[in-house]
Amino acid sequence: NAGVTQTPKFQVLKTGQSMTLQCAQDMNHEYMSWYRQDPGMGLRLIHYSVGAGITDQGEVPNGYNVSRSTTEDFPLRLLSAAPSQTSVYFCASSLGQSFEPQHFGDGTRLSIL
Amino acid sequence: AQKITQTQPGMFVQEKEAVTLDCTYDTSDPSYGLFWYKQPSSGEMIFLIYQGSYDQQNATEGRYSLNFQKARKSANLVISASQLGDSAMYFCATYNGNQFYFGTGTSLTVIP
Repeated sequence: NAGVTQTPKFQVLKTGQSMTLQCAQDMNHEYMSWYRQDPGMGLRLIHYSVGAGITDQGEVPNGYNVSRSTTEDFPLRLLSAAPSQTSVYFCASSLGQSFEPQHFGDGTRLSIL
Repeated sequence: AQKITQTQPGMFVQEKEAVTLDCTYDTSDPSYGLFWYKQPSSGEMIFLIYQGSYDQQNATEGRYSLNFQKARKSANLVISASQLGDSAMYFCATYNGNQFYFGTGTSLTVIP
């Protein structure tokens, strides 16, 4: 089972560059989300989606865009990378009910120079 | 708004002993879920245990149990018979209003 697949695993960008972090799940989960993890800060929600065509902002959405054209895919876009966006990014998915745990991808370690 | 609080940045436990990791939460919804995740040094997030707000009994999964005190809004994780492989970061989380909220985590070190 593939579960939640994130690509790439590592990426180095220069300030001002753009890129897309890919996330795909094969569990037919309606709920998908993106988090960033910084030392001492835990996981903070960037954006989430409760189904295809529906996205919403989380705690730290500034500087990031998302779209959800299919149930399977939920890409995260950085339009103009900044050093403050250096972090580890996790994508997760779940059935979306309050009693369902999230399944996480392996993470993307992103460095902005 | 802070939904989850983990006040123990780091904990140490002797191998084979039990340890409790603290978690308090803040929600006004009557229905919510509480989750614990483990993050080893390799970085992946591993789901450990779930407690529903209406569950009458504390959740258990093998050596993991959740000490759920609804009135105090606490959901502490108890690990019994600690093993060296339990050394990791542990995160408490809640699902509330379509969003998952995570605490800042507790780093657990198991001492041989």
